[in-house]
Amino acid sequence: AQKVTQAQTEISVVEKEDVTLDCVYETRDTTYYLFWYKQPPSGELVFLIRRNSFDEQNEISGRYSWNFQKSTSSFNFTITASQVVDSAVYFCALSMKDSSASKIIFGSGTRLSIRP
Amino acid sequence: DAGVIQSPRHEVTEMGQEVTLRCKPISGHNSLFWYRQTMMRGLELLIYFNNNVPIDDSGMPEDRFSAKMPNASFSTLKIQPSEPRDSAVYFCASSFRASRGGNTIYFGEGSWLTVV
Repeated sequence: AQKVTQAQTEISVVEKEDVTLDCVYETRDTTYYLFWYKQPPSGELVFLIRRNSFDEQNEISGRYSWNFQKSTSSFNFTITASQVVDSAVYFCALSMKDSSASKIIFGSGTRLSIRP
Repeated sequence: DAGVIQSPRHEVTEMGQEVTLRCKPISGHNSLFWYRQTMMRGLELLIYFNNNVPIDDSGMPEDRFSAKMPNASFSTLKIQPSEPRDSAVYFCASSFRASRGGNTIYFGEGSWLTVV
């Protein structure tokens, strides 16, 4: 079975703190893809990053960084020097390749609140 | 480039009425997804299409829900008759499915449905 677990339901930190959002996934497939999406208070879902299962290299994009570890089936997301604008619900997601199309399974999300 | 376009953005309707949600995917994308988001159940995949053909509708809650994709640039999700428990945000998303899978899906802004 495929599953994405985001154990942190809500996180609240003070602005400028670093924060890490955890994501643990389950899949039997050897080829899979991991994603993070951001849902700000306005409601839209914004794509942040995609990683494939063969690429464990960590990625940094500005204040955002992602740590992919196959050994622990985790794909954690860190925001450094957090800002109020980072306040949103963040979703981790998993996609497998099937014979006809790839569907994406989402975790339950982590609500991040950045206090000024 | 235009993103996924959904209409209406907001709809309030009375129980028993028919509701039709519309979606225009990103031009060139060959996969289309309908998701529903509620506080209780999070993001649920309702149905997805590949090349206009429904691939998996196992997430469609019941016979009151139906989805069509008559061509590559248009899809509808219909609820008839609507019930208060259908109140949710309905997202349409699209992607270009590459042969290796793992396509990134891009979401529309959502249709906020309230059934009273």
